[in-house]
Amino acid sequence: GQSLEQPSEVTAVEGAIVQINCTYQTSGFYGLSWYQQHDGGAPTFLSYNALDGLEETGRFSSFLSRSDSYGYLLLQELQMKDSASYFCAVNTGGFKTIFGAGTRLFVKA
Amino acid sequence: GAVVSQHPSWVICKSGTSVKIECRSLDFQATTMFWYRQFPKQSLMLMATSNEGSKATYEQGVEKDKFLINHASLTLSTLTVTSAHPEDSSFYICSATQIGLAGYEQYFGPGTRLTVT
Repeated sequence: GQSLEQPSEVTAVEGAIVQINCTYQTSGFYGLSWYQQHDGGAPTFLSYNALDGLEETGRFSSFLSRSDSYGYLLLQELQMKDSASYFCAVNTGGFKTIFGAGTRLFVKA
Repeated sequence: GAVVSQHPSWVICKSGTSVKIECRSLDFQATTMFWYRQFPKQSLMLMATSNEGSKATYEQGVEKDKFLINHASLTLSTLTVTSAHPEDSSFYICSATQIGLAGYEQYFGPGTRLTVT
């Protein structure tokens, strides 16, 4: 079967750094994506890693290790508005994407 | 960035009726669109892959006769929930893909919240 594992929830304080891990086991792999979703809203694209290494976009960074079937999303200088659910997702081929169960991030003052 | 719209944003219908949801890519052409369903506090579950000009590919367990998908043009895909029942109440989200500067990117519509009474 295909599976993506990520923590169900994480709590951190404003200004802190938080890392959300994702391990995957899929029949095909073309890349790992991260999405943010606020309650009641649709997912918004954050990042995509097709190759090993770290991709940085402002306060957010994403890392991939294909040999370990592992990636993470790093959020720096946390803000209250970062409280949301974060999904890792694997492109298994033909643009088809399988989503993890999501990690609910709570940012406290 | 690329924009995907959905209409309606929410709909309430009676059990047994049918509901059509539209998904449009506004500023790019999308050969492939996807339909997802999301129950509260759960992940997105892929229902089907919609390809322009051909039949949709449904995921295992999704009834193709109940969830009719039509991809009439490169910018429009529709999902029709036929003979809706309360258990079909959910958040339906479409997405379209594009190869961008960051590589493969998937853009989601704002979603349609369906409530069947």
